Amino acid sequence: DADVTQTPRNRITKTGKRIMLECSQTKGHDRMYWYRQDPGLGLRLIYYSFDVKDINKGEISDGYSVSRQAQAKFSLSLESAIPNQTALYFCATSGQGSPDTQYFGPGTRLTVL
Amino acid sequence: RKEVEQDPGPFNVPEGATVAFNCTYSNSASQSFFWYRQDCRKEPKLLMSVYSSGNEDGRFTAQLNRASQYISLLIRDSKLSDSATYLCVVTPFNDYKLSFGAGTTVTVRA
Repeated sequence: DADVTQTPRNRITKTGKRIMLECSQTKGHDRMYWYRQDPGLGLRLIYYSFDVKDINKGEISDGYSVSRQAQAKFSLSLESAIPNQTALYFCATSGQGSPDTQYFGPGTRLTVL
Repeated sequence: RKEVEQDPGPFNVPEGATVAFNCTYSNSASQSFFWYRQDCRKEPKLLMSVYSSGNEDGRFTAQLNRASQYISLLIRDSKLSDSATYLCVVTPFNDYKLSFGAGTTVTVRA
């Protein structure tokens, strides 16, 4: 079984809808991250969490919110989706001792019409 | 200026060929360097870390040039399975803030 899972894997939605992307991990890592990937751009950090009580904004947090429900679960929400949020979204985890070695989930392809 | 810049390619090479490409970074404080591999529409996976003295992992060789602020990846004896996008990643030492390049695409043809 995959160590980092994401649901859904694909989602098509309409402008203005609320969307939640979910991430779960079995690696026992404290640190979890949400990134988005757009063609021609590197992955960009949206939010990150070092433990259940710690949530931090990343490079591009506007229009997004997150929830760390448990050590193993980290959800990303788009409160009112807009077309420029169409992208590939990845969740990642890392251990406290090696924060620069990150393990990625399979990604969620989100299309906002 | 982007923090990490890569030639997007694609580099189209025949099986058995050697292919090499670079990545430049702008932050001189960067201390840790990595190459990740990303197959089409899939998640990035760590290929190898890049050490100051350079390092090899099988057919893959990574080099770091701090003076000119670039890292390189060389693939020898290319296989069809090496076809992928290679992401350059840099970060301050032991830090979670990874800066990703947009990737270099390599296509190995039979």
